[in-house]
Amino acid sequence: DIVVTQTPLSLSVTPGQPASISCKSSQSPLHSDGRTYLYWYLQKAGQPPQLLIYEVSNRFSGVPDRVSGSGSGTDFTLKISRVEAEDVGTYYCMYALHVRTFGQGTKVEIK
Amino acid sequence: QVQLQESGPGLVKPSETLSLVCTVSGGSLNNYHWGWIRQPPGKGLEWIGYIYYSGATNYNPSLKSRVTISVDTSRNQFSLELTSVTAADTAIYYCARDYGGNYVFDYWGQGTLVTVSS
Repeated sequence: DIVVTQTPLSLSVTPGQPASISCKSSQSPLHSDGRTYLYWYLQKAGQPPQLLIYEVSNRFSGVPDRVSGSGSGTDFTLKISRVEAEDVGTYYCMYALHVRTFGQGTKVEIK
Repeated sequence: QVQLQESGPGLVKPSETLSLVCTVSGGSLNNYHWGWIRQPPGKGLEWIGYIYYSGATNYNPSLKSRVTISVDTSRNQFSLELTSVTAADTAIYYCARDYGGNYVFDYWGQGTLVTVSS
């Protein structure tokens, strides 16, 4: 089974400061088609998750450019360059090659 | 704008079968995979499985023996059945549009809480 590990599990960030979340998968989500099926979602309180980043580093429609994804192989990172109040919630990475496996989630709050 | 809406009983007895339907509006099921995800209260997300519009399925190995996902393209709906439920199956159940060539889970339903209790 695929295991996806996120760190840290919680973050408290001063507005305007950066934040970074790590995601490690037990297997690479690289497909033979050359695409890497690693996704990031944000779940705000009382809402379903919303897609932020697809295929490691591509921002979904409407996602601000201060949110970015990077990585390769089995190590991936989500970065927010300047955290704002609207960024509060729980962030999930997800391995999506054939099966889907979510990380445990990282709860981000504002100091 | 694609919209998804889950429906079904909010309370299921232990050992019985949980059944949910996801109705899709604003778009066709064709050429997409459609999935179910659940979230126990206060916990993280767990993928249950997906179905292609043609009927091919893929399930979470940990749930595979108890899960069936089916599709009804004439009604623009897909469904989830989970058998032999226990309290551990109490969760918010989400349906979502899975892969169609570009994104996974770009559209989600609002979720429905299913409680397993006698």
